[in-house]
Amino acid sequence: AQTVTQSQPEMSVQEAETVTLSCTYDTSENNYYLFWYKQPPSRQMILVIRQEAYKQQNATENRFSVNFQKAAKSFSLKISDSQLGDTAMYFCAFMSRPGGSQGNLIFGKGTKLSVKP
Amino acid sequence: NAGVTQTPKFRILKIGQSMTLQCAQDMNHNYMYWYRQDPGMGLKLIYYSVGAGITDKGEVPNGYNVSRSTTEYFPLRLELAAPSQTSVYFCASSPSGQETQYFGPGTRLLVL
Repeated sequence: AQTVTQSQPEMSVQEAETVTLSCTYDTSENNYYLFWYKQPPSRQMILVIRQEAYKQQNATENRFSVNFQKAAKSFSLKISDSQLGDTAMYFCAFMSRPGGSQGNLIFGKGTKLSVKP
Repeated sequence: NAGVTQTPKFRILKIGQSMTLQCAQDMNHNYMYWYRQDPGMGLKLIYYSVGAGITDKGEVPNGYNVSRSTTEYFPLRLELAAPSQTSVYFCASSPSGQETQYFGPGTRLLVL
């Protein structure tokens, strides 16, 4: 069974600085998707970024980028120029991509990020 | 475009009561999901559906039932509520099983 581990329960960063959130996963599959979701105090789950395992290029979305290391099964999220609105819980998630997959997301326990002014 | 909507936002139930959590999406997505999020934890899959009339169990289905009579709606039924079902429930949808899931705002349920 796949598992997702986020080893940093809480992190803090000063506004405008850069922070990296860690995520490791365990799977025997070769094709899959990885996601980072943001959950602000409103509890809404918001997609931050998505990576397809067969793509070697790391995904980027504006100030958010990932460092995807397939061999090491590592998928870290880098937030540049941190803003107060980035304060939230961040969840790393794994999705299998075999034929006929139901698309079940496996979530880590989350990292609580606080951006300080 | 409303996306995924859930009602109610918050509910208190007494032990043994039943209720239905409502979920609707207006994106014509085939796949819909129900997750629960316990305090300090990530989300876990309860049930999912790959289309109208087709549902299947996820990781934590005990104590719940679902139905999917139309593409738009995917209600989650709690029978005989127990304190262990105190959680935040999220509904999500996606066009297929290999694409990004879009989440509703969640329903917070407290069973006392």
